[in-house]
Amino acid sequence: RKEVEQDPGPFNVPEGATVAFNCTYSNSASQSFFWYRQDCRKEPKLLMSVYSSGNEDGRFTAQLNRASQYISLLIRDSKLSDSATYLCVVNAPPGTYKYIFGTGTRLKVLA
Amino acid sequence: DVKVTQSSRYLVKRTGEKVFLECVQDMDHENMFWYRQDPGLGLRLIYFSYDVKMKEKGDIPEGYSVSREKKERFSLILESASTNQTSMYLCASSLIGEGTGELFFGEGSRLTVL
Repeated sequence: RKEVEQDPGPFNVPEGATVAFNCTYSNSASQSFFWYRQDCRKEPKLLMSVYSSGNEDGRFTAQLNRASQYISLLIRDSKLSDSATYLCVVNAPPGTYKYIFGTGTRLKVLA
Repeated sequence: DVKVTQSSRYLVKRTGEKVFLECVQDMDHENMFWYRQDPGLGLRLIYFSYDVKMKEKGDIPEGYSVSREKKERFSLILESASTNQTSMYLCASSLIGEGTGELFFGEGSRLTVL
């Protein structure tokens, strides 16, 4: 089993749609979770950290489910500019400097 | 804004050549990382450094070495480039230790080994 797994997509959605991505992780002791966004041929950039209580930033909501070991990202009212690859990142093992990246979920928002 | 600068965006090298990839960050971050990114495999950690002259192997260190003589600079060295090292190389830095802080990436160095 991969340490961090994501559905690669692509997810093709119309503008204005709501779309959700899930990511599962294998190390139950992981403590830090993130979503990064990567545009085509660009570097990844932090979209949001994921906190235990869940957190929201505008149209984006991140949730953590420790019992089932997954994190989710919900995007509401999708914009064309949301088209990108979304990377799930987990620090593992806890207390180390290592970040484990998922392979990413590709989103394409269609006009 | 944090800036992580990678010296070369695109390189083409021949098998057996020595390759230097340089990375400089301007925010006094302790931690620096080198990743490679390949389609379907995601980002994989090659080496990281949490202090000057300190380095630790990541998941795929074979065929690579690193140097961190100054806090702001972290170099990746391919002693003898091979075709399977053709990839996108991403340098990153972070401020807070032990995997809790945001990673800031450079724009990447796309290396082709012929």
